[in-house]
Amino acid sequence: QKEVEQNSGPLSVPEGAIASLNCTYSDRGSQSFFWYRQYSGKSPELIMSIYSNGDKEDGRFTAQLNKASQYVSLLIRDSQPSDSATYLCAVKRSGGYQKVTFGTGTKLQVIP
Amino acid sequence: DAGITQSPRHKVTETGTPVTLRCHQTENHRYMYWYRQDPGHGLRLIHYSYGVKDTDKGEVSDGYSVSRSKTEDFLLTLESATSSQTSVYFCAISDLDGDNQPQHFGDGTRLSIL
Repeated sequence: QKEVEQNSGPLSVPEGAIASLNCTYSDRGSQSFFWYRQYSGKSPELIMSIYSNGDKEDGRFTAQLNKASQYVSLLIRDSQPSDSATYLCAVKRSGGYQKVTFGTGTKLQVIP
Repeated sequence: DAGITQSPRHKVTETGTPVTLRCHQTENHRYMYWYRQDPGHGLRLIHYSYGVKDTDKGEVSDGYSVSRSKTEDFLLTLESATSSQTSVYFCAISDLDGDNQPQHFGDGTRLSIL
């Protein structure tokens, strides 16, 4: 079992729809969760962080965390073609040397 | 944007040659990391540093060495490059201790070993 699992996609959604990206993790000691967006040929860019169970909203983005189910998701409302990218889920253990484990990413395609 | 500069941005070299990649930060962050990104594998940690002259191995450290003589610079060296080390290399930084510090990435180095 991979430490952080994501469906590789591609996930195709029409412009204006809600895109839902999912991530599961195996380490119950994980405390911090991050979503990165990576455009093709570019570096990962942090878009959301979440540390507590529940929802966290930032503009069109909502991160959802359920530690009991070891599940974190990212919702993108009113999807735009510019949201087309690969989204990486990252999970950090508590303490230690700040080790972060990344999923392999979900490719999102927003169709105009 | 986090002040992270990677050099070179692109490099083509031959098997068996030494290669050094540089990561320079202007943020005075304590932690620096080197990752490689390959299709199907995602980002994998090569080495990291938690201070000047303090470094440790990540999950794919074989064939790589690092040095950090100054807070702002973290060097990754491939002593004798192999074709399996063809990849995109990213440097990342994070600040302080604590669980809620995300990593921020440089623009990457695309390395091809022929």
